[in-house]
Amino acid sequence: DAKTTQPNSMESNEEEPVHLPCNHSTISGTDYIHWYRQLPSQGPEYVIHGLTSNVNNRMASLAIAEDRKSSTLILHRATLRDAAVYYCILPGITQGGSEKLVFGKGTKLTVNP
Amino acid sequence: KAGVTQTPRYLIKTRGQQVTLSCSPISGHRSVSWYQQTPGQGLQFLFEYFSETQRNKGNFPGRFSGRQFSNSRSEMNVSTLELGDSALYLCASSLRDRAYNEQFFGPGTRLTVL
Repeated sequence: DAKTTQPNSMESNEEEPVHLPCNHSTISGTDYIHWYRQLPSQGPEYVIHGLTSNVNNRMASLAIAEDRKSSTLILHRATLRDAAVYYCILPGITQGGSEKLVFGKGTKLTVNP
Repeated sequence: KAGVTQTPRYLIKTRGQQVTLSCSPISGHRSVSWYQQTPGQGLQFLFEYFSETQRNKGNFPGRFSGRQFSNSRSEMNVSTLELGDSALYLCASSLRDRAYNEQFFGPGTRLTVL
């Protein structure tokens, strides 16, 4: 499974943009980049995913470097509800054809009021 | 649409006992994956079921097993419980109709082994 590297923690102020980086230098050409987050006392939730070009949805934007060795999750205006652990994941396809999410330690985002 | 539900939400067992956890996926989802989350090891993949067949298994001992029923509901079983099995057990469902389906997680079952 391709490995990802994220900072252990980051802090932001409410209403400000947040840029969460992820390095994935061993990414293969077919690996999608997924982001999930886990709010306190909840299961993880999907945030966004992309392959090559930048992606936007109602929750966030994903900026992918041209060489695909890194990506950045962008929260345009952080709110207190965005305080969570954010995981950058490169899902692997197993021999059985199933998809497996391999979670690292993630980045714990603290949002200050 | 109802989300992924897991029962029970909390469970206390003693060493040596066995436990069965249940997961009901989102309607229409045929894939169910199970994960274990502990403070020390983080989130670890246990196994995935699709159409009643186990598709992949993580690096867990044989005491951890699961199954999936024809209605896609899944159960996981842990036999001969050990203290280290205390964890949050999460299940996730997905459509699995194309590559890289989004996985939807349930709230988890908090298992405490005394």
